[in-house]
Amino acid sequence: DTGVSQDPRHKITKRGQNVTFRCDPISEHNRLYWYRQTLGQGPEFLTYFQNEAQLEKSRLLSDRFSAERPKGSFSTLEIQRTEQGDSAMYLCASSSGTGFNEKLFFGSGTQLSVL
Amino acid sequence: ILNVEQSPQSLHVQEGDSTNFTCSFPSSNFYALHWYRWETAKSPEALFVMTLNGDEKKKGRISATLNTKEGYSYLYIKGSQPEDSATYLCAFAGVSGTYKYIFGTGTRLKVLA
Repeated sequence: DTGVSQDPRHKITKRGQNVTFRCDPISEHNRLYWYRQTLGQGPEFLTYFQNEAQLEKSRLLSDRFSAERPKGSFSTLEIQRTEQGDSAMYLCASSSGTGFNEKLFFGSGTQLSVL
Repeated sequence: ILNVEQSPQSLHVQEGDSTNFTCSFPSSNFYALHWYRWETAKSPEALFVMTLNGDEKKKGRISATLNTKEGYSYLYIKGSQPEDSATYLCAFAGVSGTYKYIFGTGTRLKVLA
């Protein structure tokens, strides 16, 4: 068990460029979350996968954001045409089970800076 | 819109002091309340998962209580140490047909040696 890993740790991009982040959850975990955190705020929900199915997506998310979890393993989060307001820490978390009794295991996050 | 609030936003304590923080959440549609510790440059780490009104959990010098009827949870740290310095986050899960956890803004604790 190597924990949840995220890649890259840091990403600097110019406004208008596309970026993609990867999350590798703990192998036996069927649930995967993406959260975003900006300075002074708590983590904000982006999307949720149960196995390969994307079961929930935040209404705050624009059409520029898309996430996938092919085969229920790793997940990718893509942001198209990045804007300066997208600058944030993007966190991935995984857990097992089907309810909310299981704790979340987090990755170290990807820090995105849009110039 | 469901709101989860934490107080204080930040605090500094001396090594050896005991301290406590509050997490307030909606008292209806409660399912679970999680506490996480997030040290700088590390991943958030789970401290407690609490599901029953009146729950009390303990892990070393850290403990937590839960009151679902009035919608609050307390996190206590006894005899704070510099290694306790971190941001403490609570996350609320309700039963309103959503899978998401709603996080508070966190309490940033600095323990001074």
